[in-house]
Amino acid sequence: GAGVSQSPSNKVTEKGKDVELRCDPISGHTALYWYRQSLGQGLEFLIYFQGNSAPDKSGLPSDRFSAERTGGSVSTLTIQRTQQEDSAVYLCASTRGGYNEQFFGPGTRLTVL
Amino acid sequence: RKEVEQDPGPFNVPEGATVAFNCTYSNSASQSFFWYRQDCRKEPKLLMSVYSSGNEDGRFTAQLNRASQYISLLIRDSKLSDSATYLCVVTPDPNKLTFGTGTRLAVRP
Repeated sequence: GAGVSQSPSNKVTEKGKDVELRCDPISGHTALYWYRQSLGQGLEFLIYFQGNSAPDKSGLPSDRFSAERTGGSVSTLTIQRTQQEDSAVYLCASTRGGYNEQFFGPGTRLTVL
Repeated sequence: RKEVEQDPGPFNVPEGATVAFNCTYSNSASQSFFWYRQDCRKEPKLLMSVYSSGNEDGRFTAQLNRASQYISLLIRDSKLSDSATYLCVVTPDPNKLTFGTGTRLAVRP
């Protein structure tokens, strides 16, 4: 399909382990966003990429969180030394940029035991 | 104060009812406004943009009041399939969407 894809769809990990989440945006979309949604909560902005650079990392909760984007396409969000409060759905969205509609992937549901 | 505030609901209405959701935002510099819909355990999807002049898409009408920093969504003739969470979204800058926590709608037969 031509939509945003994310992997894995579900991830269960033990506290203290590192996890890597992947996002494949829609081809040709220059901007890519990561959000986090905890149970019953709204979407929390984490980081945004324009091409391969991240002009806005203001939403990353701590230095355990990092993200990169290569080739202006795939992005990975890495959480080191996971904590139980990291449990959430991590959503990725892409857009042509600016005020255009953001298209979301199905998310990765992360559970930290 | 939250950047975007919505009544969380739930709004529980019978089929055929008209229901209205409200949203207020704090950043007067916001330029674009949207309503997204999120079904249970699914990703958000754009429902409609919101323009100053107001806009309508079938049974859905969106209104923006910049002076009061207020956005509304009206759903007429509610269907069972309208049951979802409706997210109010504003853009304080072109590259960042700020989401409200959403208003949950349940339409009953």
